Amino acid sequence: EVLLLESGGDLVQPGGSLRLSCAASRFTFSDYAFNWVRQAPGKGLEWVSAIDNSGFNTFYADSVKGRFTISRDNSKYTLFLQMNSLRAEDTAVYYCTRVSLVTSNFDYWGPGTLVTVSS
Amino acid sequence: DIQMTQSPSTLSASVGDRVTITCRASQSISTWVAWYQQKPGKAPKLLIYQASRLESGVPSRFSGSGSGTEFTLTISSLQPDDFSTYYCQQYNSYSRAFGQGTKVQI
Repeated sequence: EVLLLESGGDLVQPGGSLRLSCAASRFTFSDYAFNWVRQAPGKGLEWVSAIDNSGFNTFYADSVKGRFTISRDNSKYTLFLQMNSLRAEDTAVYYCTRVSLVTSNFDYWGPGTLVTVSS
Repeated sequence: DIQMTQSPSTLSASVGDRVTITCRASQSISTWVAWYQQKPGKAPKLLIYQASRLESGVPSRFSGSGSGTEFTLTISSLQPDDFSTYYCQQYNSYSRAFGQGTKVQI
């Protein structure tokens, strides 16, 4: 069974930085594109960022463009999200999602990691 | 960017009811719409992709339809396990916007 496990969520002050990781296993990581999706407490889902299987092409929501950077290490089966200049509105559970090769949708999700931005 | 407008935000129903949720795209996206189910404290689960294709393992009481800008998710006979929040999502472009969600409650 495919496994995705996020880590790195924490309490951070406004203006601070955090790096999230998503460790993948039980499939060939380099074959797949990935996305980060977040969900603020009691709110809906928000797409954050995407990266293709090579890591050469990346995409961002306007709300995080210029502050967040998505990357991957295919040799370590790990996806990253570097978050800088954090704001209170970035407080959310962050999910790592895999893009299906068949349907082009998010077929597997991690359990999420909580990022809290507060002073 | 393409926006997805989902309605209603909350829906009250009973076991056995037929339930319909609607999603409207801000521009034509062919059939590039997916529907997800989310239970409290859990990650979402894919139900429908390409507007009407059922994900493997999803009960047949779930169905999707639509194309262009109007899409619907239908649950033909609501079961106790179906009381959840549902989201539509477009994947016509790289910015995979979600709808605001519909909470189906008793």
